[in-house]
Amino acid sequence: AQSVTQLDSQVPVFEEAPVELRCNYSSSVSVYLFWYVQYPNQGLQLLLKYLSGSTLVKGINGFEAEFNKSQTSFHLRKPSVHISDTAEYFCAVSETDSSYKLIFGSGTRLLVRP
Amino acid sequence: EAQVTQNPRYLITVTGKKLTVTCSQNMNHEYMSWYRQDPGLGLRQIYYSMNVEVTDKGDVPEGYKVSRKEKRNFPLILESPSPNQTSLYFCASSFWGARENTFGSGTRLTVV
Repeated sequence: AQSVTQLDSQVPVFEEAPVELRCNYSSSVSVYLFWYVQYPNQGLQLLLKYLSGSTLVKGINGFEAEFNKSQTSFHLRKPSVHISDTAEYFCAVSETDSSYKLIFGSGTRLLVRP
Repeated sequence: EAQVTQNPRYLITVTGKKLTVTCSQNMNHEYMSWYRQDPGLGLRQIYYSMNVEVTDKGDVPEGYKVSRKEKRNFPLILESPSPNQTSLYFCASSFWGARENTFGSGTRLTVV
């Protein structure tokens, strides 16, 4: 069965510092990988996705992620964060040969301090 | 504007009183689904629908019903709500084959 692990429930960081949010997954088949962001009192917005091709994926708001198949990881990075990046970030996977169900991690709250 | 619209945004109800949360999308998406979000658990799928009149259970379907009579609408029905259904609910939709889900703004349900 699929599972997604986001080990860090909260990541505090100072403004303009780099950040990495970790995501590891488990699946017996190939997967598609996603990062979503949830701002307070809002729905989920797609940051970036990996479907195939280059393992380095660039998304919106300056975020990028790298798919590492051997380590089953899909970590999210940003070289310099802003106060406005404060939000909850969810990693999700979807099996390539099944329904379109997304399996989500438990989320990481990014707290950017001035 | 392309969007998924959920109503209501907030709802407080009592145990056992039937309720419906509506979901509507204007993007002609075939695939629609419902998720619940609970602290420390992320989002879990309740039900999904691949097209009109085609629905199936997700990971946590107990206590919920859905219907898909029209392509744009996918209501979530709680016939007899219980306190353990207090949660934040999201509706999502996608084109078949696209793999990208558009999410609604959420419905925060409290059952007392």
